[in-house]
Amino acid sequence: GEQVEQRPPHLSVREGDSAVITCTYTDPNSYYFFWYKQEPGASLQLLMKVFSSTEINEGQGFTVLLNKKDKRLSLNLTAAHPGDSAAYFCAVKNNAGAKLTFGGGTRLTVRP
Amino acid sequence: EAAVTQSPRNKVTVTGGNVTLSCRQTNSHNYMYWYRQDTGHGLRLIHYSYGAGNLQIGDVPDGYKATRTTQEDFFLLLELASPSQTSLYFCASSDRDWGAASQNTLYFGAGTRLSVL
Repeated sequence: GEQVEQRPPHLSVREGDSAVITCTYTDPNSYYFFWYKQEPGASLQLLMKVFSSTEINEGQGFTVLLNKKDKRLSLNLTAAHPGDSAAYFCAVKNNAGAKLTFGGGTRLTVRP
Repeated sequence: EAAVTQSPRNKVTVTGGNVTLSCRQTNSHNYMYWYRQDTGHGLRLIHYSYGAGNLQIGDVPDGYKATRTTQEDFFLLLELASPSQTSLYFCASSDRDWGAASQNTLYFGAGTRLSVL
């Protein structure tokens, strides 16, 4: 089945710095890609999603890049602020069924 | 706004105990899911369902049963709880349509923290 590896598990940056979180997946039929944000003690909220036909998606200060050749998905934050401190999870789904496979998560800390 | 309600929010039981976690969604969604969240593992799928009476096995089903009694209600059952099942459990729902133009995603409940002593 699908395997999703997410790196790094922990990331600490200063306010205004950039941050990059990367996921690699194994299923070449993966078609839908999601990033979820989980604030401390809270549930998961959708941050962004990208489909196989889209390589770049932007919004809320984040950019998602999809490299299908390398089976790599990245979440790029260009100017972090303390409100971005949270856990981030990538999730991947193929073009059949309804099952999402999640990465292990990245705990991002943004220091003032 | 999609609504997924889990109960209880916290539960403590002993090894060998019997636990039922409840989830109700009022989104008229077809799919419902049970995930467990553990540090370093992200979210792992236990069971999911396409609709009332349907059950699909996820990636980590051992030690868990599930039942979808109605469109709205999905239950996770631990009949002989073990300490390895201490975790944070999330229920989620989603619609049928996953097409590129769809706004569909997983909508998560607030989670149930289970401790098995």
